[in-house]
Amino acid sequence: QVRLVESGGGVVQPGGSLRLSCSASGFTLETYGMHWVRHSPGKGLEWMAYSRYDGYSQYNTDSVKGRFTISRDNSKDMLFLQMDSLRPEDTGVYYCAKDLLEFLVTLDAFDIWGHGTLVTVSS
Amino acid sequence: EIVLTQSPGTLSLSPGERGTLSCRASQSVDRYLAWFQQKPGQPPRLLIYGSSSRATGIPDRFSGSGSGTDFTLTIGSLEPEDFALYYCQQYRTSPITFGQGTRLDIK
Repeated sequence: QVRLVESGGGVVQPGGSLRLSCSASGFTLETYGMHWVRHSPGKGLEWMAYSRYDGYSQYNTDSVKGRFTISRDNSKDMLFLQMDSLRPEDTGVYYCAKDLLEFLVTLDAFDIWGHGTLVTVSS
Repeated sequence: EIVLTQSPGTLSLSPGERGTLSCRASQSVDRYLAWFQQKPGQPPRLLIYGSSSRATGIPDRFSGSGSGTDFTLTIGSLEPEDFALYYCQQYRTSPITFGQGTRLDIK
């Protein structure tokens, strides 16, 4: 069964950092592109970052502005999102999601999502 | 950035009725358009990709159509479990963007 489980969320002060993790099972992570998506009351669903199967990464520069870094450890079937210089507007539920097709070099629909981890940025 | 505008914001229908949801893109996304369903406390669930292809396990009462800038999700005969939030998503161009959602309520 294909499954994604996020962890690492919590309450952090403005300017602080968090590292989110996404554990993948039921498929071979190294052959799929993976994404982080934020869901917040103010902005709805917002795509944050993409890690292509071959290591290339792409960001929603307007939202991330060089503060977030996506990475993966294929040997451990793990995806990560390092979030620095956090702001109150970064508050939301963060989902990891998987590309529908493997070995794609173009963007794809997301077929599997985790249940999300809540990040709250507040003093 | 491509802006997706969904209409209506809320759709109130009865079980058994046909539901039609719209998504309009600010510029062409060809057929790189997906639809998701989300229920409270759950992640989004992929219904349709490539504008009209049903995802695995999705009942055939769900159908998608359109290309370019205008897209439609049709639910042929509403079941009680279909009342939820629906989002469209374009993956033609980075940044990937989502519509603001249509809430499908029981009338």
